[in-house]
Amino acid sequence: SQQGEEDPQALSIQEGENATMNCSYKTSINNLQWYRQNSGRGLVHLILIRSNEREKHSGRLRVTLDTSKKSSSLLITASRAADTASYFCATPYGGATNKLIFGTGTLLAVQP
Amino acid sequence: NAGVTQTPKFQVLKTGQSMTLQCAQDMNHNSMYWYRQDPGMGLRLIYYSASEGTTDKGEVPNGYNVSRLNKREFSLRLESAAPSQTSVYFCASSAQTGGFEKLFFGSGTQLSVL
Repeated sequence: SQQGEEDPQALSIQEGENATMNCSYKTSINNLQWYRQNSGRGLVHLILIRSNEREKHSGRLRVTLDTSKKSSSLLITASRAADTASYFCATPYGGATNKLIFGTGTLLAVQP
Repeated sequence: NAGVTQTPKFQVLKTGQSMTLQCAQDMNHNSMYWYRQDPGMGLRLIYYSASEGTTDKGEVPNGYNVSRLNKREFSLRLESAAPSQTSVYFCASSAQTGGFEKLFFGSGTQLSVL
C-alpha cells in the first residue's frame, strides 16, 4: 500500500491565495520530501524536511512535520497561475534511504 | 544539460509483446529507479538500483525485469505485456546528500497495452 496519502486530492484557488496540502504516512521516517509535477512532465524536487525539524521555509514554500501524528503539510503562499501542478510527498521506506515511496498527490489549480 | 533521458516517449504494444524501456543519466548518480504512475494511484516504485550491479524490488515488481547495465543506464523490460501495465513510466536517479536521496526524474514513457 502507499506510504503517503495526500489530501485534498484536488484544490482550486484564486491567484494570490494560499494553498495548503497535507500528507500522512505510516511508518517512522528520518526525512520527508515534497515534489511538484507539471502536466505531462517528470517530478521536480521542492523541499526536504528532516525528522528533527518541525518547520522549514524555502521562498513561498513552508513545510511542517509532525512526527507524532505522522503527517506533513505544504503551504504555498501568494499562489500564482504557474503553481498549477500536482504535488507529492515522498518518504524513505523499509529502512532504505534510497527507496522512496510517493503519496497519491494533490492536484492544485490556481485560477488567474 | 541532459539529466535523465528516457526512450521511447510513447509506445503501443499488443498483449503478449515484449519491450525494453531505456533510461540513462549523465549526473554520475549511484541510485536509479523505475516508477509507474496511474491515475489516482500516484507513483509506485517498480524496481530500484542502489549502485551499479545491484537491483531490488519495489512496491509493484511483478511482470517486470530490470538491468543496471552500468552506472549510467538502467533498463526496464516487460517480457509479456498485459493491459494492466498500461501506464506512464518514469525513470529517476539520485545521489545521497546529507543522508537523503534527492531524485531527478526523466520526462516519462507513455505505454499503452492493447
